[in-house]
Amino acid sequence: DGGITQSPKYLFRKEGQNVTLSCEQNLNHDAMYWYRQDPGQGLRLIYYSQIVNDFQKGDIAEGYSVSREKKESFPLTVTSAQKNPTAFYLCASNVRERSNYGYTFGSGTRLTVV
Amino acid sequence: SQQGEEDPQALSIQEGENATMNCSYKTSINNLQWYRQNSGRGLVHLILIRSNEREKHSGRLRVTLDTSKKSSSLLITASRAADTASYFCATDVRSGYALNFGKGTSLLVTP
Repeated sequence: DGGITQSPKYLFRKEGQNVTLSCEQNLNHDAMYWYRQDPGQGLRLIYYSQIVNDFQKGDIAEGYSVSREKKESFPLTVTSAQKNPTAFYLCASNVRERSNYGYTFGSGTRLTVV
Repeated sequence: SQQGEEDPQALSIQEGENATMNCSYKTSINNLQWYRQNSGRGLVHLILIRSNEREKHSGRLRVTLDTSKKSSSLLITASRAADTASYFCATDVRSGYALNFGKGTSLLVTP
């Protein structure tokens, strides 16, 4: 079955550490996205990628970094520069940018700073 | 930036009743989409309506779009306890690059 896999499901980070969240899709989708969800805030766009080896900043990119070396993979690194990283992180993909199809989402990673 | 705003923030109904959620947005769109999120899970795409469409149906779901008022509504008919979830509208904005999501409506359906 095709889909998006996010791992780990839960992640704990000590202050000052960088952590990387994994996102893998086997849908052959070109476009991939990272969103952050805080209680009562809805989803906010961190980074997106329309094609391999290319990505752009979203609305809240500060303190995060990404790479897109393979079509299937779009990992997100939460760096120590991110002041308030505790949140639920969602990865999504789409056939391509501007398609009239809905996004497919992963099941999310809950990151907690301890 | 969050463009869509859902209303109400929370809705509680009994099984068998209809649930209506509304979404307002600010700028021109290519399409508007509705998603469902069960607690602690990812979002699931429900339905997409294009800017040149006024109404769309999918099973027990009915979506309307009024581009003159920049608003949309999602109607769930004959609701079930399994419909309990948060519902988000998302807009594909003509000048944007990714979906903009609202803050969601939390729906509780009691038996």
